[in-house]
Amino acid sequence: NAGVTQTPKFQVLKTGQSMTLQCAQDMNHNSMYWYRQDPGMGLRLIYYSASEGTTDKGEVPNGYNVSRLNKREFSLRLESAAPSQTSVYFCASSEEGTVYNSPLHFGNGTRLTVT
Amino acid sequence: AQRVTQPEKLLSVFKGAPVELKCNYSYSGSPELFWYVQYSRQRLQLLLRHISRESIKGFTADLNKGETSFHLKKPFAQEEDSAMYYCALKSGGSYIPTFGRGTSLIVHP
Repeated sequence: NAGVTQTPKFQVLKTGQSMTLQCAQDMNHNSMYWYRQDPGMGLRLIYYSASEGTTDKGEVPNGYNVSRLNKREFSLRLESAAPSQTSVYFCASSEEGTVYNSPLHFGNGTRLTVT
Repeated sequence: AQRVTQPEKLLSVFKGAPVELKCNYSYSGSPELFWYVQYSRQRLQLLLRHISRESIKGFTADLNKGETSFHLKKPFAQEEDSAMYYCALKSGGSYIPTFGRGTSLIVHP
């Protein structure tokens, strides 16, 4: 049981390049999330998906797009990377929607540097 | 709007000392509160939630609705407790938890 799996673990991009961060969970959770973690800023929600086929913006969605490919997978795309997107990105899932106020299960994170 | 405040960015204590990581929230309804922990080079994981009223790794947290607080406490800190700690709030029916900015706990030998 792998839980939440993110790829890649590390990535370096040049300004203007694009990339997709992949996330998959094997816990049959309805809800999935993408956060970024920056020093002094804590965790900020980029996008979330309450269920397969739905996505919604979080606190800091600009510059990002997401796809909820199926119940297991939720990808995050940077179309034109900027240095301000240098961060650690975490994917998470929860049973919210099935279990009231359920906790989040996190992936290991992707450390992204944009030069 | 709901908000979570962790007033200390860094908390430094010596092994064996008591530790209290503060968390205050603003929310008018009945909150569900969580503490998450991130050890070095590991993923964030749930430490405890107030509804469970349990002690995990010696840590406890009591919801004080009058003071709107959910402070995390441990009577005797251990070096392995060194980590980043996040307090999080969920309101009734919301899919989105609100996180505080985190407190880095360093326990010196």
